[in-house]
Amino acid sequence: DVKVTQSSRYLVKRTGEKVFLECVQDMDHENMFWYRQDPGLGLRLIYFSYDVKMKEKGDIPEGYSVSREKKERFSLILESASTNQTSMYLCASSPLLGLKVNEQFFGPGTRLTVL
Amino acid sequence: KQEVTQIPAALSVPEGENLVLNCSFTDSAIYNLQWFRQDPGKGLTSLLLIQSSQREQTSGRLNASLDKSSGRSTLYIAASQPGDSATYLCAVFSGNQFYFGTGTSLTVIP
Repeated sequence: DVKVTQSSRYLVKRTGEKVFLECVQDMDHENMFWYRQDPGLGLRLIYFSYDVKMKEKGDIPEGYSVSREKKERFSLILESASTNQTSMYLCASSPLLGLKVNEQFFGPGTRLTVL
Repeated sequence: KQEVTQIPAALSVPEGENLVLNCSFTDSAIYNLQWFRQDPGKGLTSLLLIQSSQREQTSGRLNASLDKSSGRSTLYIAASQPGDSATYLCAVFSGNQFYFGTGTSLTVIP
């Protein structure tokens, strides 16, 4: 059974803290994604990575950075957390983007609250 | 840029009813379309994937159809149950990107 796991289901942090969200996939997928999901706004892409040590900005990268040192692990970093980063964060993976058919698999999500 | 729309945003039906959820997209040049289910506070669970060359896919009580030329997909749920209550999202893969709709929140009333 394919699996994407995220390090925490719930996190509460204070303004200004550095926050790490971890995502691991066991499907040997090349691509990994970080989204945030907010009511009324749907899923918005923050960053994605198509290979180890490679990253691309999504639609809303400001205030975030990412790290992909190993193929199976993709980390989202909030350098200095702010209250407007309170959200549900979803990690996903998919096979090589050059394929004509592509399917995403999602983790369970991390609900982050910044106080 | 591809835009994906799901209407209605919310739907409430009595148990046992058959129902249809709609997904439309603006650019017909897609490789595939995927339907997801999301329970409150959880991640997205993949339900069905339809390739651009296919017209429909079935899994149990679920049937998804795709009309690429008109930019539409429907998810048909037969004999709805309270356990089907969730948000249903569609996503298309085109131009090496995934584009998501904002979802339809379904409530099945016992």
